Amino acid sequence: DQQVKQNSPSLSVQEGRISILNCDYTNSMFDYFLWYKKYPAEGPTFLISISSIKDKNEDGRFTVFLNKSAKHLSLHIVPSQPGDSAVYFCAASASPSGTYKYIFGTGTRLKVLA
Amino acid sequence: DVKVTQSSRYLVKRTGEKVFLECVQDMDHENMFWYRQDPGLGLRLIYFSYDVKMKEKGDIPEGYSVSREKKERFSLILESASTNQTSMYLCASSFPGQGYEKLFFGSGTQLSVL
Repeated sequence: DQQVKQNSPSLSVQEGRISILNCDYTNSMFDYFLWYKKYPAEGPTFLISISSIKDKNEDGRFTVFLNKSAKHLSLHIVPSQPGDSAVYFCAASASPSGTYKYIFGTGTRLKVLA
Repeated sequence: DVKVTQSSRYLVKRTGEKVFLECVQDMDHENMFWYRQDPGLGLRLIYFSYDVKMKEKGDIPEGYSVSREKKERFSLILESASTNQTSMYLCASSFPGQGYEKLFFGSGTQLSVL
């Protein structure tokens, strides 16, 4: 049972345009969400996070939106750059303070075309 | 910067062998995790540890065990390697602060079991 779903395995976007990566979750207890980026042969690196008390968090070109009623979050990258080409994972957690067990989605491979 | 180091980038083992994957972090983090990444399945949690000598099963612990004798080192052990354990293994660490904390990942170990 996949609690965190990324239904688009891949996405291609032209350089300079907006990239929108989506993530759906089923567990209403999830209250903290993260996005990670992963290049081939490297470990995932943290990108941006959002807690359930917010519906938006911004960091430079990256914005994450959370719609709790729809159990949906999205990552917007504006403008997209070729260096953004990577696999993006969303992750969710419902753990209390002290032990952070994150559930990851299956990933979306983003390709930004120059 | 936090550094999570996995001892091997690539490993090739034979079925039935006992395999040790080592992970060391240099930031005095309490929590350490082992994930495996497989195409179409995302990152799945195998085991995690929130203190020395403490461990908890993740979502897919079968066929694996772990050891945490020192705070900075978390080892994943495949007691008798099988071909379905061919995967990318990722170690991560985090510090349980005031709220949710992000995971810091190592570069991964690509294990092939023949």
